Amino acid sequence: NAGVTQTPKFQVLKTGQSMTLQCAQDMNHNSMYWYRQDPGMGLRLIYYSASEGTTDKGEVPNGYNVSRLNKREFSLRLESAAPSQTSVYFCASRGEGGYSNQPQHFGDGTRLSIL
Amino acid sequence: GNSVTQMEGPVTLSEEAFLTINCTYTATGYPSLFWYVQYPGEGLQLLLKATKADDKGSNKGFEATYRKETTSFHLEKGSVQVSDSAVYFCALSALNDMRFGAGTRLTVKP
Repeated sequence: NAGVTQTPKFQVLKTGQSMTLQCAQDMNHNSMYWYRQDPGMGLRLIYYSASEGTTDKGEVPNGYNVSRLNKREFSLRLESAAPSQTSVYFCASRGEGGYSNQPQHFGDGTRLSIL
Repeated sequence: GNSVTQMEGPVTLSEEAFLTINCTYTATGYPSLFWYVQYPGEGLQLLLKATKADDKGSNKGFEATYRKETTSFHLEKGSVQVSDSAVYFCALSALNDMRFGAGTRLTVKP
């Protein structure tokens, strides 16, 4: 079982460049999430999508956009990358409409460096 | 708002030692509580969960009890192994609000 797949695994960008991080899940989950992980700060929610066709801002949405392309795929876009966006990005999904007692399933992350 | 506070690391133990990682939370309503584990280069994996007060989650020798009166969900293991070396995250979930602690790095030495 693939679970949650993220691409690419590593990326280096120059300040001002744009890129899209891809995420796909094969568990037929309704809810999908994007987090960033920074040392000493745990995971912080950037955006989430409770169902196909809906997206909502999380704790740190500035500088990012998302697209819920279909039930399987949820992409994160950096329009003009900044060094402060250097981080490890994780995609996650959760089933059953996002009921709070269900755990999230995580991808292996994208390690993004912005010079 | 909702938040999670867990003990700062790093924690270094000898094999077969007892482990406790403290976690306390602040939340409105009745959240579900989770412990996740992260191995190097990987995403977070669910270790255990508890969905209501006094529930005990357990898995692979790890345990945690949902204590509403002290708003805590401390992780324990009686005898750690080298293979338990990882970063551990406490988390709470209330509807679509998911909050994580900062993580505690555990290193177990042979």
